[in-house]
Amino acid sequence: ETGVTQTPRHLVMGMTNKKSLKCEQHLGHNAMYWYKQSAKKPLELMFVYNFKEQTENNSVPSRFSPECPNSSHLFLHLHTLQPEDSALYLCASSQEMGGGSYNEQFFGPGTRLTVL
Amino acid sequence: AQSVSQHNHHVILSEAASLELGCNYSYGGTVNLFWYVQYPGQHLQLLLKYFSGDPLVKGIKGFEAEFIKSKFSFNLRKPSVQWSDTAEYFCAVNAVDSSYKLIFGSGTRLLVRP
Repeated sequence: ETGVTQTPRHLVMGMTNKKSLKCEQHLGHNAMYWYKQSAKKPLELMFVYNFKEQTENNSVPSRFSPECPNSSHLFLHLHTLQPEDSALYLCASSQEMGGGSYNEQFFGPGTRLTVL
Repeated sequence: AQSVSQHNHHVILSEAASLELGCNYSYGGTVNLFWYVQYPGQHLQLLLKYFSGDPLVKGIKGFEAEFIKSKFSFNLRKPSVQWSDTAEYFCAVNAVDSSYKLIFGSGTRLLVRP
C-alpha cells in the first residue's frame, strides 16, 4: 500500500457513457497527477494539480475532464470515450511539485478502463 | 525535450542469474533518477532513487543502480535474481531545474524462470 487509493479498479463503459474515476491520497501531499498507461508505451502524464490548482494539461482531449476539490482527492470525469482510450489510468501524488527531493511520486493501483 | 530509453523490452533469466537493465536519458542538466517496479497485478512502486551524492544507489530487495553522468545512464543491477523479481521495470527521470514532470521509459518486462 502506498497511501494512494483508486476506485473503481476495473471499469467497462460504452462510448456514450459518462463515468468518473476517483483517487484519494492519505499522505498529506499537495500535488496530484493522472497518468495513462497503455500497452507497450511509456506512462503518459495527463494532468497535474498543485494545491488544487491545475498546472498541467498535457494535450489531453476534452473528453477527459479532471477535478480536484481538495488536496486529497482527484477525479477524472469521462464522457464519449473512444476504444483507443482503453488503458490503465494511474493516479499519483507527491509532497510538492518541483525538481527537488520532495517530488517523489507515490502511485495508486490504477483503474483498468475498457471502452466498448 | 527530455526522453528516456530502456533498450531491453523483454528479458528472460534463470534464477540466480545476474541482472542489468539499461536506462539512458537525454537531458544536459541536473536530474533526479528513479527506478519503479510493477509486479503482476500490483501498483507501481519505487525501487530506488538518485537525487545527489554517491552515484551508486542501493534500493529495496537487493537492487542497486549506478548513475554515470558522462554516459547519461542509470542502469539497474541485481547480482542474483529470484523468481519473485518477475515484474516490469520502469526508469524515470525528472529535470531538477525545469519541471516536476517525471518522464518514463517504456519499461522492461523481466521474466525469471525458476
